[in-house]
Amino acid sequence: QVQLQESGPGLVKPSETLSLTCTVSGYSISRGYYWVWIRQAPGKGLEWIGSMFHSGSTYYNPSLKSRLTILVDTSNNQFSLQLSSVTATDTAVYYCARASELTGFDSWGQGTLVAVSS
Amino acid sequence: DIQMTQSPSTLSASVGDRVTITCRASQRIDNWLAWYQQKPGKAPKLLIYKASRLESGVPSRFSASGSGTEFALTISSLQPDDFATYYCKQQNAYSPVYTFGQGTKLEIK
Repeated sequence: QVQLQESGPGLVKPSETLSLTCTVSGYSISRGYYWVWIRQAPGKGLEWIGSMFHSGSTYYNPSLKSRLTILVDTSNNQFSLQLSSVTATDTAVYYCARASELTGFDSWGQGTLVAVSS
Repeated sequence: DIQMTQSPSTLSASVGDRVTITCRASQRIDNWLAWYQQKPGKAPKLLIYKASRLESGVPSRFSASGSGTEFALTISSLQPDDFATYYCKQQNAYSPVYTFGQGTKLEIK
């Protein structure tokens, strides 16, 4: 059974870079599926951040594209998120998930809260 | 960009009620639509994919329909465990680009 776990700092200063890692267990990223990041600001809805295929090809939310990098580390079965020049509006719970091309986000991490504050 | 609009934003209902949540896409998305359930403090859970297909393990009281731009999620007889927030999500055909609706909070009346 696939499991995903987000990790990274819970507090980031404005203008700095938010970096998170999603560690996948029970399934090899290299075998397939897309791997995605989603976030949810406090009291708000879900926002798709970006997607990555195991080959490294990426798809980004246009509203975040200029600040966003998603990378894969197949040797450690991880993928990561880097969001630069953060502001308070980037404060959110960040989720990683596995995405089937035909179904949807069928496995999720528990989420990690990242606050942007000085 | 495709926009997804859910209605209502909040829905009050009682155990045993039949409820329907709707989702409208700003342009045709065929059947590239999924529905998720989220409870407070938890990650969302996939309920429905390809507009009407029930994810494995999801109770049969959940059903969904629609194609093109109009979609609906129906819960036939509300159970206490169903009070949550529901999101629709569109996917670009065969491309991992997604947009969520704003969510519908299903509350106990």
